[in-house]
Amino acid sequence: GQNIDQPTEMTATEGAIVQINCTYQTSGFNGLFWYQQHAGEAPTFLSYNVLDGLEEKGRFSSFLSRSKGYSYLLLKELQMKDSASYLCAVKANAGKSTFGDGTTLTVKP
Amino acid sequence: DTEVTQTPKHLVMGMTNKKSLKCEQHMGHRAMYWYKQKAKKPPELMFVYSYEKLSINESVPSRFSPECPNSSLLNLHLHALQPEDSALYLCASSLTTGGFNQPQHFGDGTRLSIL
Repeated sequence: GQNIDQPTEMTATEGAIVQINCTYQTSGFNGLFWYQQHAGEAPTFLSYNVLDGLEEKGRFSSFLSRSKGYSYLLLKELQMKDSASYLCAVKANAGKSTFGDGTTLTVKP
Repeated sequence: DTEVTQTPKHLVMGMTNKKSLKCEQHMGHRAMYWYKQKAKKPPELMFVYSYEKLSINESVPSRFSPECPNSSLLNLHLHALQPEDSALYLCASSLTTGGFNQPQHFGDGTRLSIL
């Protein structure tokens, strides 16, 4: 089976850095995706990790440790528009990605 | 606006109606997906099509019937739905179902309400 855990909610201040953690236990692993979803909108792709280590894309970075079943999404220089739900999704096999429940991030002035 | 287009954006139907949700992409993607998303919950996979063939059915009730007429189109036919089927239905596509670093591109969804 698949088990993916993320914190339900987080709050941070504009301009700060926030780290959203994701732990997973899956029967297969073909990579881990992070998506952002604003309320009432479609999820949009942020980052992908399949090898251990850090992937950096502008203000967003994502880290993966396959041996620990652990990933995090790091958001720097937070902006108000970063208030959204952040979804961790593990691709276990061809075609099937399982999503975590998502972390709702609120950025305050 | 997303590169995956879904119609209609909103749909209200009775439990005896028959309706269809439509999804279209022109990115040359050969994998297409249907997800169901309830409020404050993550998307739940329903169906996966790979090269126009159904490859995954997540034990979805038969009142939901998917169809992939060609590589750009994906339909979801609805019949005799229940009130608990009210949700946001998301379509997504990716280059293929396999391979690495092939994220899914989501449409804006159809918000479905069953009366």
